[in-house]
Amino acid sequence: DSGVTQTPKHLITATGQRVTLRCSPRSGDLSVYWYQQSLDQGLQFLIQYYNGEERAKGNILERFSAQQFPDLHSELNLSSLELGDSALYFCASSPYQGANYGYTFGSGTRLTVV
Amino acid sequence: GESVGLHLPTLSVQEGDNSIINCAYSNSASDYFIWYKQESGKGPQFIIDIRSNMDKRQGQRVTVLLNKTVKHLSLQIAATQPGDSAVYFCAENRGNTGKLIFGQGTTLQVKP
Repeated sequence: DSGVTQTPKHLITATGQRVTLRCSPRSGDLSVYWYQQSLDQGLQFLIQYYNGEERAKGNILERFSAQQFPDLHSELNLSSLELGDSALYFCASSPYQGANYGYTFGSGTRLTVV
Repeated sequence: GESVGLHLPTLSVQEGDNSIINCAYSNSASDYFIWYKQESGKGPQFIIDIRSNMDKRQGQRVTVLLNKTVKHLSLQIAATQPGDSAVYFCAENRGNTGKLIFGQGTTLQVKP
């Protein structure tokens, strides 16, 4: 157990729907990072929050949004889902704003859009 | 898009042999590198890191080598064990931003 908790583990939904993925960081970590992992794109950085504020943004689609709450858990919202959004979504956390001590990943949410 | 590249998609080794996984990075401004291991059904797990002011760093059974001249990173695993079977990713960071840029991954298969 890495200490980073992601729920749900699996999610199956239909095209056009909206889902929310949840992440609880390790105790004491202030940064949360979201990554998408698909077979053809590898691990792609989506977004980072640090202590409630957005700190870095990757190639996150406009249909996707995220936030970090006062208790430091984070949610990734995916809307108007398309078949191509099927992927593993990972959350990671770290104590720092920057990545140069690495991060700790959760076990992921597998999203299947049908 | 931007990426850290890996030379081989799959590496098959005999149990007990040493493994070497390679990675090329594109930006000479990158100053921090990490190797992650991802087992089936799990998230990436930190193995070892190295900063650009170093050429080599050793951990338990693993060594990371950094050649800045040719922008190359390698992970050496000594006495490879079946439990080492996984996908290995290199990742880079530039200027201590929040973003790690991952390579495509190399699958390591360990034959008994």
